[in-house]
Amino acid sequence: GDSVTQMEGPVTLSEEAFLTINCTYTATGYPSLFWYVQYPGEGLQLLLKATKADDKGSNKGFEATYRKETTSFHLEKGSVQVSDSAVYFCALSEIIQGAQKLVFGQGTRLTINP
Amino acid sequence: EAGVTQFPSHSVIEKGQTVTLRCDPISGHDNLYWYRRVMGKEIKFLLHFVKESKQDESGMPNNRFLAERTGGTYSTLKVQPAELEDSGVYFCASSHGQGFAYGYTFGSGTRLTVV
Repeated sequence: GDSVTQMEGPVTLSEEAFLTINCTYTATGYPSLFWYVQYPGEGLQLLLKATKADDKGSNKGFEATYRKETTSFHLEKGSVQVSDSAVYFCALSEIIQGAQKLVFGQGTRLTINP
Repeated sequence: EAGVTQFPSHSVIEKGQTVTLRCDPISGHDNLYWYRRVMGKEIKFLLHFVKESKQDESGMPNNRFLAERTGGTYSTLKVQPAELEDSGVYFCASSHGQGFAYGYTFGSGTRLTVV
């Protein structure tokens, strides 16, 4: 079946550092790709998404580009803030019985120090 | 608009006991999903309701897990008897339609610890 692999954490950076969290996927079709974020004490929130090859999703300064040739969807941010500390999940959607469900990576815990 | 509500937020039970988790979806959302994250690993799909019917329960790990959605409103997920490997975070999500064009809203999860 489809699968998602994320770089292992935890990741600790200083404020204003550049962030990259790697994500690669395996899929038989052409899934949509997502990054979800879970801030402490909160639910999963959609951070950004891309629905086809070469699409770039962006939100809150984060970006990720759907790379079909490398089956990747790496998350980047040019200058992180303390408030970005959270767990980040890469995911793809697969269609089963006409309904889309998500396949997640294992999550990457990010801590930003002031 | 209220979001997806899950409770309890935390539950600690002994092995062999029963626990029931509840999820209240966004009002009017016919689709309700359960996912769980075990031992810091990936979040995995458990099952999907459309109204009160189970559309897909292929992710349910075994028959110790029972999900219901009476009346097509809130849903419960019962674990009976609980085992140590059931510890993890259980997430619920709801959506109006079945595709991502309709949005997919998650709750904050229930952290279950079996000791």
